[in-house]
Amino acid sequence: EADIYQTPRYLVIGTGKKITLECSQTMGHDKMYWYQQDPGMELHLIHYSYGVNSTEKGDLSSESTVSRIRTEHFPLTLESARPSHTSQYLCASRRKETQYFGPGTRLLVL
Amino acid sequence: DAKTTQPPSMDCAEGRAANLPCNHSTISGNEYVYWYRQIHSQGPQYIIHGLKNNETNEMASLIITEDRKSSTLILPHATLRDTAVYYCIVRVAGTGNQFYFGTGTSLTVIP
Repeated sequence: EADIYQTPRYLVIGTGKKITLECSQTMGHDKMYWYQQDPGMELHLIHYSYGVNSTEKGDLSSESTVSRIRTEHFPLTLESARPSHTSQYLCASRRKETQYFGPGTRLLVL
Repeated sequence: DAKTTQPPSMDCAEGRAANLPCNHSTISGNEYVYWYRQIHSQGPQYIIHGLKNNETNEMASLIITEDRKSSTLILPHATLRDTAVYYCIVRVAGTGNQFYFGTGTSLTVIP
């Protein structure tokens, strides 16, 4: 069983606010990922990292940013939240050929 | 990475085997077949993966045809907790290639 955590699990916030979604894993995995998923829709990769100080944008354009200062921590930040950012955000880490996902953060921007 | 085709939805009676098909006719020789599932918008969960031989673990069996153009995930005794979206993914292992989850098959296990 993988140990990957996301906080908060649910967030309701007003337009224009800055938010940071936290993702931590205790498995020492180098590779980490952020996906965005709307209800009933596909997962879209928005950011990934292959290790400390490595970050790349994924296939889906996103106004969010990420950082990877420590192996275990991969936070995602929205500088100014908008209603179009309302979605579920899923964090994952990877060991060999297996991805381990966190429980997700459901974000609602009013 | 090769594209996969899955039926959008399937039903299965509780206690029966659930057989989920996946077509990947353009798969290349070094691409593996992976299966994940996602239960009610939780994070996806890894199930199994294989290259060309059939694979079995505590969750499921993976049957890959000899020409590797299709595969079937088998849940031998489906339970209500197996109701989920099942994703078939084809990609080259050991590379930076990402996992493309697609739309998957929504499996409903019926009591």
